[in-house]
Formats: sequence, C-alpha cells, structure tokens
Amino acid sequence: GAVVSQHPSRVICKSGTSVKIECRSLDFQATTMFWYRQFPKKSLMLMATSNEGSKATYEQGVEKDKFLINHASLTLSTLTVTSAHPEDSSFYICSARAGLDNQPQHFGDGTRLSIL
Amino acid sequence: LAKTTQPISMDSYEGQEVNITCSHNNIATNDYITWYQQFPSQGPRFIIQGYKTKVTNEVASLFIPADRKSSTLSLPRVSLSDTAVYYCLVGSTISGNTPLVFGKGTRLSVIA
Repeated sequence: GAVVSQHPSRVICKSGTSVKIECRSLDFQATTMFWYRQFPKKSLMLMATSNEGSKATYEQGVEKDKFLINHASLTLSTLTVTSAHPEDSSFYICSARAGLDNQPQHFGDGTRLSIL
Repeated sequence: LAKTTQPISMDSYEGQEVNITCSHNNIATNDYITWYQQFPSQGPRFIIQGYKTKVTNEVASLFIPADRKSSTLSLPRVSLSDTAVYYCLVGSTISGNTPLVFGKGTRLSVIA
C-alpha cells in the first residue's frame, strides 16, 4: 500500500531555532500534500495544502511566514517552523494522496516537536 | 466540506463486535466516506473507504445506507490492540487537492 514517510520523528530544540520536517511519498507521486497539527487529546487540525511547484494554501489563522512549506518535487514536501517558540510545540503530521480518483489520503507517522 | 458527528467514546470487551456510527447529513454527491484509526503519537492509519452500500476488507466492514447520511464502521471481534481513536471523514476524492477535515473522532477502549 501507499507509504508516506516523515522525518524526523522527534525534535527537541531551543527557542528561536528553525526546524525543518520532511514528508515523502515513497511509492507514489503526490501532486498535493497536506500538513496537520495535533495537540494532546485533540483532533488533527489542517494547517496548509502543499502543491507541487506552487505556493501552499494556508488555513485561516496559520501564519505563512511562520510555517514555511516547500513542495519541490512530486514526492517531497517540507515544513519549516521558523524561529520556533514553546507554543509551537505540537505533533505535526503530513499526508499525501496519489493524483488518482477515489484514492484515500495516507499519513506519515508524525513529528513530535518540543521547543524548550 | 461535510461535517461529521460521531460518539466521543465507546467501551467494549475483547472479542466483541464494535459498531461506530457516524452522521454526515450534508454529504455531497462526489463525497466518499473514509475511516481512519489513530494510536497515540502516530499518524492516522487508513482503515476503509466506501461510497454506498457495504464495503468489507480484512480488518473492517463499512455499512452505508441508501441516503448516505450516515455510515457505520464495524470491527469484528476486537482485541486490546484495537484501542485507538477512530475518525470518520467525508470528502471528495475526485479532486486530489481537497484535504480531509477531521472531526473529534471516537475514542474506543477495549477492555480485557
């Protein structure tokens, strides 16, 4: 089945650091990838839709200058949390769907970001 | 995007069949119904997807009535390892760039 790989799985860093998270579709091409954020015991919240070769579409309330998204190829999207602060600590999850009709979204295993 | 409503939590004993029902009254013609399972500190895992009537795979069945305003995920003979949060989502899969929007999910606790 379709596999989405996310790296790193866990990051602990100091406040002010920028952190990059990679999301790869391993066995299919994804023209579109999605980034979600999840707080403890809460549901996933969509942050942005990442389109290959074009600018990402951000959900209301998500700062595009804070969360930089790059989708350079059909198998790779990156999320960079710039100048991270403790309130950015969360579980970040990416997903992708093959560009075929009726195919489900597949999710990575998430990145636990902890800002000290 | 269609909004879904499902029970916040459910408890079940091992070996029992568990049915989780989801309401999606505003489902559109192009929308599919998809269920995911999520364990703590992991991404959601695809369980099953359907459009109408019944779909069955090796882990679950999905029942969808004719009006498609609800759906029921059926897990046969649950085990302790099925303890997780289950999400029902509705969305169009014709357009590949339409994201899935998550509701609160159902927290299933399986008891020995």
